[in-house]
Amino acid sequence: AQSVAQPEDQVNVAEGNPLTVKCTYSVSGNPYLFWYVQYPNRGLQFLLKYITGDNLVKGSYGFEAEFNKSQTSFHLKKPSALVSDSALYFCAVRVSANFNKFYFGSGTKLNVKP
Amino acid sequence: KAGVTQTPRYLIKTRGQQVTLSCSPISGHRSVSWYQQTPGQGLQFLFEYFSETQRNKGNFPGRFSGRQFSNSRSEMNVSTLELGDSALYLCASSLVDRSGQPPYNSPLHFGNGTRLTVT
Repeated sequence: AQSVAQPEDQVNVAEGNPLTVKCTYSVSGNPYLFWYVQYPNRGLQFLLKYITGDNLVKGSYGFEAEFNKSQTSFHLKKPSALVSDSALYFCAVRVSANFNKFYFGSGTKLNVKP
Repeated sequence: KAGVTQTPRYLIKTRGQQVTLSCSPISGHRSVSWYQQTPGQGLQFLFEYFSETQRNKGNFPGRFSGRQFSNSRSEMNVSTLELGDSALYLCASSLVDRSGQPPYNSPLHFGNGTRLTVT
């Protein structure tokens, strides 16, 4: 069965410091992995996706994700956090190559303090 | 391009009533999915539609239903509302090829959701 796990409910980081939001996955076959961000009272906004063969994927707003096959991880990173990055972040995996069914992690709340 | 549009943004209903939520996908997107988001359960898949057919369904009771129209717009209906149905309902659309298969790394594009409160 496909699944993703986000081990941290909350991550706190000071503005200007690097941030990491963790995600591990369990899939059979090739992983189709994604990161989304959600601001209050809004829907999910696509940040980036895993591209087969790339260990470091760049996305929107300066975010990037590091794929590690041996650790089955797809951690979201940013070199320098902004207060405006404070939001809820979700890791997701496409369940099937044939259908649009995704499993989402439980979400990690990122707090960036000035 | 306009994004995914969901109406209404907010709804307040009482137990036992029914409700219909609407979703207009991004132009050209023919797959529409629905998700329920609650603080306790997170994001849970409800169902997915392509070519006016439901081809995938999550683990929800039959009170939850949906449909898709020929222009790809979709509606979901919840009958006999319960307090536990209070949630943010999110619609998402996606590109698919002629057979309905999504490109493997094609993301979902979400609307801003409908916040349903059942009292």
